[in-house]
Amino acid sequence: GESVGLHLPTLSVQEGDNSIINCAYSNSASDYFIWYKQESGKGPQFIIDIRSNMDKRQGQRVTVLLNKTVKHLSLQIAATQPGDSAVYFCAEADGQNFVFGPGTRLSVLP
Amino acid sequence: GAVVSQHPSRVICKSGTSVKIECRSLDFQATTMFWYRQFPKQSLMLMATSNEGSKATYEQGVEKDKFLINHASLTLSTLTVTSAHPEDSSFYICSALDRLTSTDTQYFGPGTRLTVL
Repeated sequence: GESVGLHLPTLSVQEGDNSIINCAYSNSASDYFIWYKQESGKGPQFIIDIRSNMDKRQGQRVTVLLNKTVKHLSLQIAATQPGDSAVYFCAEADGQNFVFGPGTRLSVLP
Repeated sequence: GAVVSQHPSRVICKSGTSVKIECRSLDFQATTMFWYRQFPKQSLMLMATSNEGSKATYEQGVEKDKFLINHASLTLSTLTVTSAHPEDSSFYICSALDRLTSTDTQYFGPGTRLTVL
């Protein structure tokens, strides 16, 4: 049978509001960070990335903020839409070694 | 963006049989591919790193004789679950590194749902 999984942290946001998903990373040598979106039953999709020489990067409706001092990464989604409902994973990379965070489930309320 | 495919998307097999899962990079060359396993409501668990033309590097606790990985070309890696048992039922996801771009970004396949009866 399947393992009993951990309960993912859930963020519920009203449609149209902004969402902020947070992630703490552990390796101070990580120099590349990525956010992925995973919809139910599908593989993760790349959303946005940032290198350690930057502290902010913007994409279409998404912004990633990196605070290396406290080893914190966040993903901001502007004007959240129902299609944004998914599980969001952060990943840190040190060379070829990628480590994924536990994930956060974003639930968009109508 | 880069596209990675996996085949099959779903497979149901009897206990004791072997199942092969293919991972292909469709529009780029992937010198490195990764295989992940994902249990319900959990993050991705790296099983092994597959480099084209060389033996795969397995993570601690992953049996290399049970999860056979072959990366024979720059666009194809295969994962074979040998003598599958119900506890091998899971969602298996591959990813590929596009090293020709500057970002070293992993692109993921859509995943394969394996159910072992």
